[in-house]
Amino acid sequence: EIVLTQSPDTLSLSPGERATLSCRASQTLRTNYLNWYQQRPGQAPRLLISAASTRATDIPDRFSGSGSGTDFTLTISRLEPEDFAVYYCQRYGNSPLYAFGQGTRLE
Amino acid sequence: QVTLRESGPALVKPTQTLTLTCSFSGFSLNTLRMRVSWFRQPPGKALEWLARIDWNEDKFYTTSLKTRLAISKDTSKNQVVLTMTNMDPVDTGTYFCARSVDGFIFDYWGQGALVSVSS
Repeated sequence: EIVLTQSPDTLSLSPGERATLSCRASQTLRTNYLNWYQQRPGQAPRLLISAASTRATDIPDRFSGSGSGTDFTLTISRLEPEDFAVYYCQRYGNSPLYAFGQGTRLE
Repeated sequence: QVTLRESGPALVKPTQTLTLTCSFSGFSLNTLRMRVSWFRQPPGKALEWLARIDWNEDKFYTTSLKTRLAISKDTSKNQVVLTMTNMDPVDTGTYFCARSVDGFIFDYWGQGALVSVSS
């Protein structure tokens, strides 16, 4: 099983600052099937980034993704108040078919 | 406009079977490559994928819960049903359904249904 480990668990920043979130896979992900989701309290996850670096529809360009192989990064260039949430990385493939990281809380 | 909505009991007793329904609109599970998955999220914890059903009736389950899960679809009603047998308090959490067109990403999600397991 390919495990995703996110770091840090909690990131404390202020509006206007830059956020860098990490997701590390225990084995190489083929074809970069690595996605990022945002989850606000009491809400469903929202797709931000697919295939490591492709922004989803209507996602502001302050969100960007990068990485390949085992190391992936979500960057939020300038934090807005609505960006404070929990962020999950998610992989496709292997067993189980889909898996998520444990999440990074941005506070 | 794509929407999904989960429904089911808010409380089940240990050993009972949970039945959840995902009612959707804005797309059809008869469409090529369309898929619907179920997830759960214990309070304060991470998301866990449970099961997936595809437009062609292919079904996939997470290995650790495979013996307890069953997923089905009713295309005429635009619904996907998940059953989970032998419920335990550790199964308490919010259950989500979500759509996937390519099988790799989940682009639309329901708002979630909170299920508590307690006697």
